[in-house]
Amino acid sequence: IQLTQSPSSLSASVGDRVTITCRASQAISSYLAWYQQKPGKAPKLLISAASTLQSGVPSRFSGSGSGTDFTLTISSLQPEDFATYYCEQLNSYPLTFGGGTKVEIK
Amino acid sequence: EVQLVESGGDWVQPGGSLRISCAASGFTFSNYWMSWVRQTPGKGLEWVANIKQDGSEKYYLDSVKGRVTISRDNAKSSLYLQMNSLRAEDTAVYYCACPHYYESGRFYVDYWGQGTPVTVSS
Repeated sequence: IQLTQSPSSLSASVGDRVTITCRASQAISSYLAWYQQKPGKAPKLLISAASTLQSGVPSRFSGSGSGTDFTLTISSLQPEDFATYYCEQLNSYPLTFGGGTKVEIK
Repeated sequence: EVQLVESGGDWVQPGGSLRISCAASGFTFSNYWMSWVRQTPGKGLEWVANIKQDGSEKYYLDSVKGRVTISRDNAKSSLYLQMNSLRAEDTAVYYCACPHYYESGRFYVDYWGQGTPVTVSS
């Protein structure tokens, strides 16, 4: 199953609303995770099952979607949110990740 | 505190072999599936392999099947990845990961190591 993330990169300002999309090549129910990764660090799980916010993750992050189309939304971008975001499907093996979306400061 | 500490990453020539390890602590290792995920320089994440709690089920990325073996020693809380016939495209940082968080039929990776670098080059 291929996951296509868009955009591959974006520039935004603090306070902006940011939306990242992840499209699966076939239906994956809600078996989708979103991760945040900062340079030199391991990924951090933000959202599981397409929309469940992990404990400790700020509520400005939200996820939605099912089937083939998913979105990660940051309602008001904060300085610490500048990072690369990845989606991952857990519907079937081989597990696959999207290509990533790098969120940069405008 | 949960810790996953990888070791064994190194430079190796094409065609060579390498075994990397992961020492787990802070959780009951034997209760969970374990994973290896890699990240090529400047690029994205790629799942490599999964192993069931007792080692009875293993799954691999197609491009590593037949060259790579995932294994575990629950008595030592350790995970391993034996890599043979290494290729330049295997060059990556290899992360040990635990799909520990369960929701609606799937386990999600919420424990990650810091990664160990593997370089395949002549």
